[in-house]
Amino acid sequence: QVQLQESGPGLVKPSETLSLTCTVSGGSMSSYYWSWIRQPPGKGLEWIGCLYYGGSTNYSPSLKSRVTMSLDTSNNQFSLKLTSLTTADTAVYYCARGRVGGSFWGQGTLVSVSS
Amino acid sequence: QSVLTQPPSVSAAPGQKVTISCSGSTSNIGNNYVSWYQQFPGTAPKLLMYENNKRPSGIPDRFSGSKSGTSATLGITGLQTGDEADYYCGTWDSSLSAAVFGGGTKLTVL
Repeated sequence: QVQLQESGPGLVKPSETLSLTCTVSGGSMSSYYWSWIRQPPGKGLEWIGCLYYGGSTNYSPSLKSRVTMSLDTSNNQFSLKLTSLTTADTAVYYCARGRVGGSFWGQGTLVSVSS
Repeated sequence: QSVLTQPPSVSAAPGQKVTISCSGSTSNIGNNYVSWYQQFPGTAPKLLMYENNKRPSGIPDRFSGSKSGTSATLGITGLQTGDEADYYCGTWDSSLSAAVFGGGTKLTVL
């Protein structure tokens, strides 16, 4: 069974950069899309972006200037970097297999942006 | 403001049927597959439906999906109190080259 697990800091200061990693176990990363999706407290899902095993990426137009995603197939991981954080970036961040989420999601990690 | 429009809430009695709508445009629902997710408080979303009307293994046939033009619908029959959750539709938007989600619908089983 494929499992995904997010890891990263739970608290980040405004203007800093958030770095999150998603570790994939129980399956190969090849031939799949991998995505990041977030959910501010009490609000709906917001798609951040996705990357394909071959290396291509797509980002949300509203976050594109601040987002970078990358793949580390040797460690079965993919990562998210989000720069210039504000309090509006406070959310639970999920990683998932698929372009629009999909069958497999991580449990989510809460990231709070606060000084 | 979400690209896909869902009703904020729906409700029905146990045993009854409910439908949740998801409205979009030709650039998203009109030309791409729709998926549906169920989310309980404090947990990750769970895939309920993919490619408009296909159920992943383990999802009961009480759940159904359909699409017509630029709208999609999730149907749930034989409602149970355990179905109380938030439901989201999602799809790819070819104009944005990005995925989009609806704002979510809270289902209450009275």
